[in-house]
Amino acid sequence: KAGVTQTPRYLIKTRGQQVTLSCSPISGHRSVSWYQQTPGQGLQFLFEYFSETQRNKGNFPGRFSGRQFSNSRSEMNVSTLELGDSALYLCASSLPIGQGGNNEQFFGPGTRLTVL
Amino acid sequence: AQSVSQHNHHVILSEAASLELGCNYSYGGTVNLFWYVQYPGQHLQLLLKYFSGDPLVKGIKGFEAEFIKSKFSFNLRKPSVQWSDTAEYFCAGKLSNNNDMRFGAGTRLTVKP
Repeated sequence: KAGVTQTPRYLIKTRGQQVTLSCSPISGHRSVSWYQQTPGQGLQFLFEYFSETQRNKGNFPGRFSGRQFSNSRSEMNVSTLELGDSALYLCASSLPIGQGGNNEQFFGPGTRLTVL
Repeated sequence: AQSVSQHNHHVILSEAASLELGCNYSYGGTVNLFWYVQYPGQHLQLLLKYFSGDPLVKGIKGFEAEFIKSKFSFNLRKPSVQWSDTAEYFCAGKLSNNNDMRFGAGTRLTVKP
């Protein structure tokens, strides 16, 4: 089975722009979670999508949003970029307990976003 | 509030030394606990996980961890480290019924050859 894939792997943007990151989960996984990793704040949970609905949300401003499509692929959008948004954005997919899984999350390689 | 904390920020060991990395959690409810490793330039890999049952869990590459409920701890251990274990290690936890995973700050392990 192919793992979690994220595109693009690297991205450079300027302040004020917006960005969209993409995540394709492992085949059959319907839950997708997003995390932000920075040297100062570590790994922080952004949100989780399941069956096209946001199920959990971390403590991030409204500039961070996401969505999930019917094929479970997910996108994350950040509007009005700030310098502090520079980070590695990780996506993880899982198969919930009710669907024969155990909620274990599998991580993708991440998208490294640099905001200039 | 749900949280996971790691005590050691940077650990330096010589090869063949024993390793123990501390992790404490604060959760109300049934908790799932994990240790992940991130090698330089690579993505997070799962070392081991605890969901229920035997509190001593064995993972890949000779790592193990013990879930001690009374101490709210889930420390990672390895009897003899190798140079190739140099990496960053993250403890993480979540409630069993959702995917809001909280990570510790990470521990950077440097193993000297």
